[in-house]
Amino acid sequence: NAGVTQTPKFQVLKTGQSMTLQCAQDMNHEYMSWYRQDPGMGLRLIHYSVGAGITDQGEVPNGYNVSRSTTEDFPLRLLSAAPSQTSVYFCASSYSSRGLYNEQFFGPGTRLTVL
Amino acid sequence: DQQVKQNSPSLSVQEGRISILNCDYTNSMFDYFLWYKKYPAEGPTFLISISSIKDKNEDGRFTVFLNKSAKHLSLHIVPSQPGDSAVYFCAASGVETSGSRLTFGEGTQLTVNP
Repeated sequence: NAGVTQTPKFQVLKTGQSMTLQCAQDMNHEYMSWYRQDPGMGLRLIHYSVGAGITDQGEVPNGYNVSRSTTEDFPLRLLSAAPSQTSVYFCASSYSSRGLYNEQFFGPGTRLTVL
Repeated sequence: DQQVKQNSPSLSVQEGRISILNCDYTNSMFDYFLWYKKYPAEGPTFLISISSIKDKNEDGRFTVFLNKSAKHLSLHIVPSQPGDSAVYFCAASGVETSGSRLTFGEGTQLTVNP
């Protein structure tokens, strides 16, 4: 299993540009999520999905869109990039969103710089 | 409103000694707590967890203690090794917010000196 994969690893955008961060998992996990990591702020939840066709907002959803058309993929879209979105983005997945906690597996991250 | 706080941004210890990383939380609905470890340029990896019905969980060199009345948990690493040098994140989840949704602390950079 490749686990959770993210592309690209690095990206530089200009203000106002759009892009999609890709995330895929091959573990048939039900739950997927996107976090951003900023210095001194830990990991903050952007959006999450409890299954194909179902998404919801996390702590910091503004400026980001997501969709979940398949179990495997959970792309994160920036429609009009802003410097405040400069961050490291992590995708994570877990087997289920129900009941007791299920361990989350993280991808290697995408480092995004918005100029 | 930071519901999970790690007040020490960094910690430095000597190899072989004990490392103690601390975490406080404010939301009484949290019932599951986890520690994740992160090396540079990698994603976080799960280290150890504890349910709110317990006060201690041990896994090899790693032990997590939970004090529910104080809303405080700590991670003990004994003995510390240079390979333990990483950022450690405390995280919490609650049934009301779905079992998988995590709230993270700011992280503590642990440096273990040879």
